[in-house]
Amino acid sequence: NAGVMQNPRHLVRRRGQEARLRCSPMKGHSHVYWYRQLPEEGLKFMVYLQKENIIDESGMPKERFSAEFPKEGPSILRIQQVVRGDSAAYFCASSPYLEIQETQYFGPGTRLLVL
Amino acid sequence: GESVGLHLPTLSVQEGDNSIINCAYSNSASDYFIWYKQESGKGPQFIIDIRSNMDKRQGQRVTVLLNKTVKHLSLQIAATQPGDSAVYFCAENILSSASKIIFGSGTRLSIRP
Repeated sequence: NAGVMQNPRHLVRRRGQEARLRCSPMKGHSHVYWYRQLPEEGLKFMVYLQKENIIDESGMPKERFSAEFPKEGPSILRIQQVVRGDSAAYFCASSPYLEIQETQYFGPGTRLLVL
Repeated sequence: GESVGLHLPTLSVQEGDNSIINCAYSNSASDYFIWYKQESGKGPQFIIDIRSNMDKRQGQRVTVLLNKTVKHLSLQIAATQPGDSAVYFCAENILSSASKIIFGSGTRLSIRP
């Protein structure tokens, strides 16, 4: 049973370019979460999605960032016009939503470097 | 509570000894707590969880203790091994927003041979 998959594992972009990060949840999981981690810090919640719905985006920056989880295919975190401050590790987690308090399982992350 | 931009505190333990990692959480409304282990270059790995109606929960070589009175959580690792070297994060789940996990600032566990 494959775990949460993320790609690419490493992504280098120049300032002003777009970054697209993909996440495939564990089989049978319909809930996806995105987190950002700066070096030597904990993970910061960004957004929570179910299939075709954004449930909670309270951690998303107001501009340039967007996320989707289509009916078919992986969840996508999109960062437009990247700046150096966007350099971080971005982690995706998924859960089965068996009950309201559920364990989230994390993917290996995508490390974004903005030059 | 929320992590801040500080260097991670480090706990150095002799191999074979027990490790105790402490965490203070911020929200008295939180009722679900998780410990994650993060090795270098990897995503957080679930270790153990506990709900607020419990004070203690045991897993394989790990025990989590919860003290709601002082909002304190601890992770005990028995017979620490080199493979336990990692950063450990406590996390809390906010009752009003069941989806959101709030991570603590983390502790780096270093094992001395």
